[in-house]
Amino acid sequence: EAQVTQNPRYLITVTGKKLTVTCSQNMNHEYMSWYRQDPGLGLRQIYYSMNVEVTDKGDVPEGYKVSRKEKRNFPLILESPSPNQTSLYFCASSLSQGNTEAFFGQGTRLTVV
Amino acid sequence: GENVEQHPSTLSVQEGDSAVIKCTYSDSASNYFPWYKQELGKGPQLIIDIRSNVGEKKDQRIAVTLNKTAKHFSLHITETQPEDSAVYFCAATDTGAGSYQLTFGKGTKLSVIP
Repeated sequence: EAQVTQNPRYLITVTGKKLTVTCSQNMNHEYMSWYRQDPGLGLRQIYYSMNVEVTDKGDVPEGYKVSRKEKRNFPLILESPSPNQTSLYFCASSLSQGNTEAFFGQGTRLTVV
Repeated sequence: GENVEQHPSTLSVQEGDSAVIKCTYSDSASNYFPWYKQELGKGPQLIIDIRSNVGEKKDQRIAVTLNKTAKHFSLHITETQPEDSAVYFCAATDTGAGSYQLTFGKGTKLSVIP
């Protein structure tokens, strides 16, 4: 089954404790992105990757890091999480720039206390 | 960069009635306009999209219209059913920009009342 898998689905952590949210897709997609969803603000892009070893900032990259060492994986790293990073996070992938349907994961609800 | 405005933020309709959600965009270079549906506890899922060389597209009860001159596009759902209740997001992007940045509206929570 074609899918984007995020882990964990739920995470509660403390301020400053480094964490990684994993994202994996099995569709051989070139493009992958991370979004955060906050009430009243919709979906805002954090980082995106156009292919292996090619990443770029989205609209709200501060406090986040990403890496794309393999085509299928695109982890989101919070080196020192803060309470304002409490949010619902989504990973998405798409085949290419021209074929732009984005397939989303199930989401990761992160709480930073 | 692109800015997408979406209205209304909430919409309640009686089952069987029509629902219309409207979006405006700022970047005249944008040429791809998808609509996503997000059900409770799930990730957004593409339901319909339109490209700038087309003025209207229909898929069963769902249709999207695009007015490039006015820079707005709309989602129309006819004969609404309870399973249409969800949050809907419009989005816009320029597929020829050399990057991949899909800009979303803030979402519309649609409630279909049985």
